Amino acid sequence: DADVTQTPRNRITKTGKRIMLECSQTKGHDRMYWYRQDPGLGLRLIYYSFDVKDINKGEISDGYSVSRQAQAKFSLSLESAIPNQTALYFCATSDFTENLETQYFGPGTRLLVL
Amino acid sequence: DQQVKQNSPSLSVQEGRISILNCDYTNSMFDYFLWYKKYPAEGPTFLISISSIKDKNEDGRFTVFLNKSAKHLSLHIVPSQPGDSAVYFCGGGGSNYKLTFGKGTLLTVNP
Repeated sequence: DADVTQTPRNRITKTGKRIMLECSQTKGHDRMYWYRQDPGLGLRLIYYSFDVKDINKGEISDGYSVSRQAQAKFSLSLESAIPNQTALYFCATSDFTENLETQYFGPGTRLLVL
Repeated sequence: DQQVKQNSPSLSVQEGRISILNCDYTNSMFDYFLWYKKYPAEGPTFLISISSIKDKNEDGRFTVFLNKSAKHLSLHIVPSQPGDSAVYFCGGGGSNYKLTFGKGTLLTVNP
């Protein structure tokens, strides 16, 4: 079983709709992240959470919100989807070993906003 | 301001030869660097890391070199195999800095 799961894997929605992308992890990590990947732009951080009570904006948080329902769950919402939010979205968790943070990514959600 | 840069969007090499992927950074306070590999339709997976106090780390066919004075690191894959074809992301991080990724380099290994 995958340690980091994302649902849905694919989603098509229309401009103006509210949608939620969900992420669950079984690794027991406190830290969780949401990224989006666009061609030529790499991985850009949307939001991150260092524990259930800690939520922080990343470099491109406008138009997005998150909820950390439990240590294992971190969801990303698009309040009113727009076409330029069409992208591949990744959730990740991380741990520290020997002062080095390693991130573990989910399989991604491909989102198309029409 | 992009703290981690991968200036080559793509690289093509022949099977059996060496692949060298480069990464430059601007934040001299990074404590470590990592390389991730990403296949299409999958999430990135951790490949290899290096602490800022070292200049080399090796794991099988993969070796990462760090040149702190030049703020440059490179990933060497020897010998390259077709299954190594993927996008490679370089990242830097530290106890006071979130992991920051470059834009990635698409490696194609031709049979």
